[in-house]
Amino acid sequence: DAGVIQSPRHEVTEMGQEVTLRCKPISGHDYLFWYRQTMMRGLELLIYFNNNVPIDDSGMPEDRFSAKMPNASFSTLKIQPSEPRDSAVYFCASSLDRVQETQYFGPGTRLTVL
Amino acid sequence: ILNVEQSPQSLHVQEGDSTNFTCSFPSSNFYALHWYRWETAKSPEALFVMTLNGDEKKKGRISATLNTKEGYSYLYIKGSQPEDSATYLCALNNAGNMLTFGGGTRLMVKP
Repeated sequence: DAGVIQSPRHEVTEMGQEVTLRCKPISGHDYLFWYRQTMMRGLELLIYFNNNVPIDDSGMPEDRFSAKMPNASFSTLKIQPSEPRDSAVYFCASSLDRVQETQYFGPGTRLTVL
Repeated sequence: ILNVEQSPQSLHVQEGDSTNFTCSFPSSNFYALHWYRWETAKSPEALFVMTLNGDEKKKGRISATLNTKEGYSYLYIKGSQPEDSATYLCALNNAGNMLTFGGGTRLMVKP
């Protein structure tokens, strides 16, 4: 398996623009997680899905952030409108089971909002 | 919000030195403790998952122990090499909650 795939790897955009980050989890994994990594707050869980259904989105910063998982092999994280404080590395991870199984991380998307 | 703490925040050692660092966590409703290795510009890579009090895991020169009663885990690296330089993250699975990550210990091994 190719592992968790994320695109794009780097995104530079201007404040106010819409940004869409994409993730393809490992085939067969039932859980998908979106994380954000910043210097100030470290690695934070934004939202996670089980079998394509959003289970906990309490980590989503505000209404400008939304995430979808239309099928088992694809998820998006959208920011609209983007702001400079959204600049961070966004990781997607997947796992077989949310409790004891390892989460496998994608390479991340480095987002810069000017 | 779960408080998962790692110490020290950063560590500089000489090649060949052995080292260890700590992850502290609340012991109630414990499910599992994960260790990840995170190299700069890469994504976190799983090292160990530990679930039972007294668990010891080993992978090459890296090993980890777990004490769920007192709420801590140690990660040991024997004979550090420059390629061990990375940030080591622990993460707690607590009943009803997702992974809560510690702030990490940044290890730098000088040749």
